[in-house]
Amino acid sequence: EVQLLESGGGLVQPGGSLRLSCAASGFTFNDYAMAWVRQAPGKGLEWVSIISASAGSTFYADSVKGRFTISRDNFNNMLFLQMSSLGADDTAVYFCGKGRIWEVVTPVVNWGQGTLVTVSS
Amino acid sequence: IVMTQSPATLSVFPGERATLSCRASQSVSSNLAWYQQKPGQAPRLLIYGASTRATGIPAKFSGSGSGTDFILTISSLQSEDFAIYYCQQYNNWPQAFGQGTRLEIK
Repeated sequence: EVQLLESGGGLVQPGGSLRLSCAASGFTFNDYAMAWVRQAPGKGLEWVSIISASAGSTFYADSVKGRFTISRDNFNNMLFLQMSSLGADDTAVYFCGKGRIWEVVTPVVNWGQGTLVTVSS
Repeated sequence: IVMTQSPATLSVFPGERATLSCRASQSVSSNLAWYQQKPGQAPRLLIYGASTRATGIPAKFSGSGSGTDFILTISSLQSEDFAIYYCQQYNNWPQAFGQGTRLEIK
């Protein structure tokens, strides 16, 4: 069974940084692209970033480009999202997701339960 | 690419069929997915490739379309089908979701 467990969320001050982690299990991690999707309170889904299975390709939403960095550790089956220069608009539940294939042209097949990031002073 | 879903809210009687629309501002080929989200839960993939049901998704959910116009049809609505539905294009960068259609009981 595919399991994705996010961690690292919490309260952070505007301008601060945070690193989210996603522990994956139940599948061959280095065979699949992985993604982050967020959802602000009471709002719709917003795609954030994606990384290919080999980490050779990464893409970002315009709203986070230059501030967020996606990475993965295929040895330890972990996905990360390093977030910096955080603002109130970054307040959201962040979901970790598994792609359908190795490359980045993929929907999100499996989802974690999410971790809440709150940016506030 | 901007994804526009219509209607924003759809009210349907249980047992009837619901038709949800999604339009892309430019062609996304068939790289279009549909998700269902219930309150307090993570989204669930229903359809990918515009018309292929994801694993475990019943045949009552069907998708169609290509290019810029897509449809999600849900037949014989039951209480558990009332939720918010999102489309997503994964053909171009950045990927994008529609704003969602809330399917409610009439």
